[in-house]
Amino acid sequence: EDQVTQSPEALRLQEGESSSLNCSYTVSGLRGLFWYRQDPGKGPEFLFTLYSAGEEKEKERLKATLTKKESFLHITAPKPEDSATYLCAVQCYGQNFVFGPGTRLSVLP
Amino acid sequence: NAGVTQTPKFRILKIGQSMTLQCTQDMNHNYMYWYRQDPGMGLKLIYYSVGAGITDKGEVPNGYNVSRSTTEDFPLRLELAAPSQTSVYFCASSYSTPSGIYNEQFFGPGTRLTVL
Repeated sequence: EDQVTQSPEALRLQEGESSSLNCSYTVSGLRGLFWYRQDPGKGPEFLFTLYSAGEEKEKERLKATLTKKESFLHITAPKPEDSATYLCAVQCYGQNFVFGPGTRLSVLP
Repeated sequence: NAGVTQTPKFRILKIGQSMTLQCTQDMNHNYMYWYRQDPGMGLKLIYYSVGAGITDKGEVPNGYNVSRSTTEDFPLRLELAAPSQTSVYFCASSYSTPSGIYNEQFFGPGTRLTVL
């Protein structure tokens, strides 16, 4: 069975304190890994898609990387407005998207 | 473009009542999805559609029904509501190419449903 796990479940950072979120997956055949940001009371908002091991993508303070078994979302010098839940999802051959439970990030000023 | 819109935003149902959650997208996406999100859990797929007239079950379809008569609309029907259906429901759409490349999903703002 395809599975996606995320760690940590929750993370509290001071403003400017860099860290990484992890998304681990066990799937039969990966077509793409997606990162989303979700603010309270809103729908998920797309951040990145990664298709193959070794691929990296960046957007402002966020950088996503992908290996054969996991993906990391690196947050550099975070600001309070980066506080949100970060979801990862995988899309496998012949399957729909499978979402992880998310990491709740709080960045304190 | 409005993107993906959902109505209503909130609803309280009594056990045994029925209702329809509306979803509309204006991006001409072929794929549409319904998810539910429970606290601390990931998004669980209820139903999806690959195009008008074609729907299929996801991971948790029991107690729900869908139809897709147009590209734009994908309503979700709850029959005989139960407390276990208390959740936040998200509709999403995406474009999949003929070669099977799935692009990112665009989500609506969600419907918060409580069944008492």
